[in-house]
Amino acid sequence: GNSVTQMEGPVTLSEEAFLTINCTYTATGYPSLFWYVQYPGEGLQLLLKATKADDKGSNKGFEATYRKETTSFHLEKGSVQVSDSAVYFCALSAPSGGYQKVTFGTGTKLQVIP
Amino acid sequence: DTEVTQTPKHLVMGMTNKKSLKCEQHMGHRAMYWYKQKAKKPPELMFVYSYEKLSINESVPSRFSPECPNSSLLNLHLHALQPEDSALYLCASRQTGDTEAFFGQGTRLTVV
Repeated sequence: GNSVTQMEGPVTLSEEAFLTINCTYTATGYPSLFWYVQYPGEGLQLLLKATKADDKGSNKGFEATYRKETTSFHLEKGSVQVSDSAVYFCALSAPSGGYQKVTFGTGTKLQVIP
Repeated sequence: DTEVTQTPKHLVMGMTNKKSLKCEQHMGHRAMYWYKQKAKKPPELMFVYSYEKLSINESVPSRFSPECPNSSLLNLHLHALQPEDSALYLCASRQTGDTEAFFGQGTRLTVV
């Protein structure tokens, strides 16, 4: 079956530091890849997505590139802010049994300190 | 309107109570989902509705009963829950042909 592996957290960074959260996946076919963000006490918000190899998703200064050769979709941001503190989920979506099944990674908690 | 709206935001219920969670979207999405999320874990799929019909039940106990009265509304009826059912319940929807799911803010359920 499909799976998503992302780096263990928590990740603690100082404000304005560079962020990388690693994500690799295993899937048959050509899944779509996503990063979702969950702020404390809230639901999931789609941060960015990529639907085919070499696509780069970007939003709010975050970027991730769909790398089929390394089956990776690492999340990066050049300069984090305190307001970026949240849990980040890497996910893939692929057809399964007639519907689009979303498989989530375990989540990485990011804490940005002033 | 690009929102999935869930009510209530918080719910505390006793083990003998009957309550319902509500989810609404007006984006014309024909696939709707219920997920359960425990603390520090990713969401786990419970049910999938496609065109108002239940298409996936991920072996969820019968004390959880989903209902899709129309294409915009999804309910989750709760009865005789256990304390271990306490969690964040998330609703999501998706446009047919798209891969992206939109999530609501969730209902934080506590069973006492």
